[in-house]
Amino acid sequence: QQQVKQSPQSLIVQKGGISIINCAYENTAFDYFPWYQQFPGKGPALLIAIRPDVSEKKEGRFTISFNKSAKQFSLHIMDSQPGDSATYFCAATPGGGNKLTFGTGTQLKVEL
Amino acid sequence: EAGVAQSPRYKIIEKRQSVAFWCNPISGHATLYWYQQILGQGPKLLIQFQNNGVVDDSQLPKDRFSAERLKGVDSTLKIQPAKLEDSAVYLCASSTGPGRYGYTFGSGTRLTVV
Repeated sequence: QQQVKQSPQSLIVQKGGISIINCAYENTAFDYFPWYQQFPGKGPALLIAIRPDVSEKKEGRFTISFNKSAKQFSLHIMDSQPGDSATYFCAATPGGGNKLTFGTGTQLKVEL
Repeated sequence: EAGVAQSPRYKIIEKRQSVAFWCNPISGHATLYWYQQILGQGPKLLIQFQNNGVVDDSQLPKDRFSAERLKGVDSTLKIQPAKLEDSAVYLCASSTGPGRYGYTFGSGTRLTVV
């Protein structure tokens, strides 16, 4: 019940296109859903996060869509750029806790 | 502000040897975490400290892994003896405290056990 399932495993998008990564969870105690971006040789860095009381959050070119009834959330990267090429992880954590449960990651490549 | 410092960056050891990793969190961050990231997988929490006390070590293989955080600042993670399946990146992260979700991760230590 602690799993967070992430798809796709890898994604190739043309420059200027939209990248979409999906995650699903089962633990209804999760109440905070961050996305992390990781470049090779670096630790994950917080990109954007959402709580289940809103259905969408946008920060610049990055948008999280959240569907509480379906227990799914997704990351949309608009106008994808080569500099966005990285591994993206969704994660979730229950109320009051800090323990992050991560998805398996999506390796994004943005081609010119 | 300075980030989370980890050392060494890389380590290669033979199975059954011991190894230790060091982490210096961001100044003032009371909560410190050690995560294990196996190639192709998401990070998995090994242990969480609040100041120098352990909050969660439920996924730490205690027969071979140990961790301490003396004086509530730096932390050391040790593996003894190492197994092949311990090959992974060991990430340290810190945050200002419980309920503060703004983790900052270090760049990690890549361990290869041969």
